[in-house]
Amino acid sequence: GAGVSQSPSNKVTEKGKDVELRCDPISGHTALYWYRQSLGQGLEFLIYFQGNSAPDKSGLPSDRFSAERTGGSVSTLTIQRTQQEDSAVYLCASSFWTAGTDTQYFGPGTRLTVL
Amino acid sequence: AQSVTQLDSQVPVFEEAPVELRCNYSSSVSVYLFWYVQYPNQGLQLLLKYLSGSTLVKGINGFEAEFNKSQTSFHLRKPSVHISDTAEYFCAVNNQAGTALIFGKGTTLSVSS
Repeated sequence: GAGVSQSPSNKVTEKGKDVELRCDPISGHTALYWYRQSLGQGLEFLIYFQGNSAPDKSGLPSDRFSAERTGGSVSTLTIQRTQQEDSAVYLCASSFWTAGTDTQYFGPGTRLTVL
Repeated sequence: AQSVTQLDSQVPVFEEAPVELRCNYSSSVSVYLFWYVQYPNQGLQLLLKYLSGSTLVKGINGFEAEFNKSQTSFHLRKPSVHISDTAEYFCAVNNQAGTALIFGKGTTLSVSS
């Protein structure tokens, strides 16, 4: 079946602009995660959604970052007033149930470049 | 707090040689451990995971890992590597809340002929 898809695959923006990154999880997966992969920092957790529960936002680096998940499916990560340090690959993953033990399936990522 | 340390950032090896990628973890709760692989220009995929039971875990593509609680390690091994194993390998542990994985910084395995 279809895997996790993300769009766009590449995004180049100017410092100070807002960007939206989209994630379509695997159908039927209740859990959805966003991570950021940058040189020297590895993979960093950003936010976790599980069904109708309140999301775990503990990994968001600043209040310029926000995310929502509509209808328990598609998710959008928004970065406001982008900064050069936001340049990274943003990865989305989904799993059937809980993060602790379930296999997470990753999308191909969105490469964000802030000029 | 949970953390993961991958001791080698790069591991060069010749084809058909054995390889071990090292991973140490720190955890204050029940630990679940994972190895993910990222091939060039592809997304991450699961190689194997340890949840409980047998400490020797077998994964895809001939990889295995051993959970060692006393040494807080979860090293990944393969007895004979192929060129196609060239990739970046990430060790991960569940976070304390059980809402995400905490990843190590990755080990780049380069297999040459």
